[in-house]
Amino acid sequence: SYVLTQPPSVSVAPGETATIPCGGDNIGSKSVHWYQQKPGQAPVLLIYYDTDRPSGIPERFSGSKSGNTATLTIGRVEAGDEAVYFCHVWDRSSDHVVFGGGTELTVL
Amino acid sequence: QLHLQESGPGLVKSSETLSLTCTVSGGSMISTTYYWGWIRQAPGKGLEWIGSIYFSGSTYYTPSLYSRAAISVDTSKNQFSLTLSSVTAADSALYYCARQYEVIQGAFDYWGQGSLVTVSS
Repeated sequence: SYVLTQPPSVSVAPGETATIPCGGDNIGSKSVHWYQQKPGQAPVLLIYYDTDRPSGIPERFSGSKSGNTATLTIGRVEAGDEAVYFCHVWDRSSDHVVFGGGTELTVL
Repeated sequence: QLHLQESGPGLVKSSETLSLTCTVSGGSMISTTYYWGWIRQAPGKGLEWIGSIYFSGSTYYTPSLYSRAAISVDTSKNQFSLTLSSVTAADSALYYCARQYEVIQGAFDYWGQGSLVTVSS
């Protein structure tokens, strides 16, 4: 079955840029979505279809893809960005949703 | 503003059937644009998709739960439901319902707050 690989944790200083990778075979052919989940809360959609932001999501959050990796980039990181971030794709070959394992962002 | 709310028993005995309902308000489930999904999250773990349903009743399921999970829809009540049979402790989790935007390949753009289900022996 299709697997999305995310590092368990990423740390960044306030004001810096955080990059969270999501690796998957041939991910370039799939649409990637990203979510932010803060403790005790439901996930929130951050990025859909690789690069689009829902209304209300700051421009500091952006998505990209290159090769077998999709990346969520968070610019000018704030303490309030501490959360777990998940990527998600639809695997056409098996007809099911796949989530990455999640990356916990720590703001130093 | 669309709102999703899960409801159902918080405690289920091992080997019995878990049943949850998601009530959608602020919009109709009858739309060619959306699927409606169930996702669960075990304590301290990641997100696991269970399955999704279209308003017509067409469904997709994750392979690992295909034989035990069933998702149904009642458009007259603007609700969709999940049943999971033969539950074990491994099924203890926070269960979310969510709207999937622009068909089955799309993102989950609206989520409920989650319903905690504990399986007891």
